[in-house]
Amino acid sequence: QKEVEQDPGPLSVPEGAIVSLNCTYSNSAFQYFMWYRQYSRKGPELLMYTYSSGNKEDGRFTAQVDKSSKYISLFIRDSQPSDSATYLCASPGGSARQLTFGSGTQLTVLP
Amino acid sequence: GAGVSQSPSNKVTEKGKDVELRCDPISGHTALYWYRQSLGQGLEFLIYFQGNSAPDKSGLPSDRFSAERTGGSVSTLTIQRTQQEDSAVYLCASSLTGRDTDTQYFGPGTRLTVL
Repeated sequence: QKEVEQDPGPLSVPEGAIVSLNCTYSNSAFQYFMWYRQYSRKGPELLMYTYSSGNKEDGRFTAQVDKSSKYISLFIRDSQPSDSATYLCASPGGSARQLTFGSGTQLTVLP
Repeated sequence: GAGVSQSPSNKVTEKGKDVELRCDPISGHTALYWYRQSLGQGLEFLIYFQGNSAPDKSGLPSDRFSAERTGGSVSTLTIQRTQQEDSAVYLCASSLTGRDTDTQYFGPGTRLTVL
């Protein structure tokens, strides 16, 4: 079992839809959670970062963490074609504090 | 400002050859990571450098893989006797101090194809 599991997708939605992206994790030592966005043939870029259980909002994006169930979500409101990318959940851990990533969900927002 | 840069952007090599991949981290960042992204395995950690400390090599898949970081800045990942399963995108990331709360900034990656 991987330490971070992510709904694989791909996911295709119409412009303006609300998107829900989900991950679960198994390592109780994970304390911080990140969402990275990766456009095709580019490196991942940090989208949001959360520490505690609950919601964190940034514009159209909301990150949600439920540590009791080890569940992480990213919601995108009013999705735009420019949101089309692969979304990766991640948490730092291990001897090098390296990021452990989920497998990524490829999102396409259709105009 | 300048982000993390990597070269080459693409590399095609024949099985059995050695390859070198280069990473230029963001100036002033003491922590540098190498990751590998492949279709079957996703994004995996390879090696970590922090300042002048000995590198954390716990993610290297075999002894054919090695890396160095000179002068606390530029890093080179070397793969000896490449195999077809080494085909992947190799990503470098840097962060200011290596703490959990530090953002890791990724380069665009080197796409390696082993024929």
